[in-house]
Amino acid sequence: DTEVTQTPKHLVMGMTNKKSLKCEQHMGHRAMYWYKQKAKKPPELMFVYSYEKLSINESVPSRFSPECPNSSLLNLHLHALQPEDSALYLCASSDYPDRAPYEQYFGPGTRLTVT
Amino acid sequence: AQSVTQPDIHITVSEGASLELRCNYSYGATPYLFWYVQSPGQGLQLLLKYFSGDTLVQGIKGFEAEFKRSQSSFNLRKPSVHWSDAAEYFCAVGPKEEYGNKLVFGAGTILRVKS
Repeated sequence: DTEVTQTPKHLVMGMTNKKSLKCEQHMGHRAMYWYKQKAKKPPELMFVYSYEKLSINESVPSRFSPECPNSSLLNLHLHALQPEDSALYLCASSDYPDRAPYEQYFGPGTRLTVT
Repeated sequence: AQSVTQPDIHITVSEGASLELRCNYSYGATPYLFWYVQSPGQGLQLLLKYFSGDTLVQGIKGFEAEFKRSQSSFNLRKPSVHWSDAAEYFCAVGPKEEYGNKLVFGAGTILRVKS
């Protein structure tokens, strides 16, 4: 089973709201990723968790706050977002990030609209 | 810096015709290579990957790709396109430790299938 699940599928939030995106995988993978994808563009890496520790932060604004409660779960906490943050947010996971090569498996994404 | 080029932004093919999507990369050494497909509003699905060995790799949905070191290319092919193949296709390279353990995506090619 190569499934990564994400909830919610769609999210509309105001600029003063606080919300969270959730991602889950049950493949035993030890790395999880958040990507942001704008329309007609490739995904852009935001964060990487490797063995439940934050290993890469691509200079993402602090209004995005990732959390990895355990090896199967990844959250992205959102607050005080801007309309330009509207995008498709993709979660991915991969096996043994310190033993390349490995492939990343993506979830279906959360379509976020900031009003 | 490493980069991935997909020269064709859009490609239109007739149903039943053959397909080739181009991908060129710029790396110091042989990277790990991937093709992903994304239907509108969906996540990315891994079609195939090349790590080493046989330079012609088979993937899902009848796709194949050929790694050509001399041309720094990893082109995706399908002998007979189906209407359901209409989607956006991303070539990606990495991750390797020397490149920050990140996937680097091309800009994507949108495939349209006409009946």
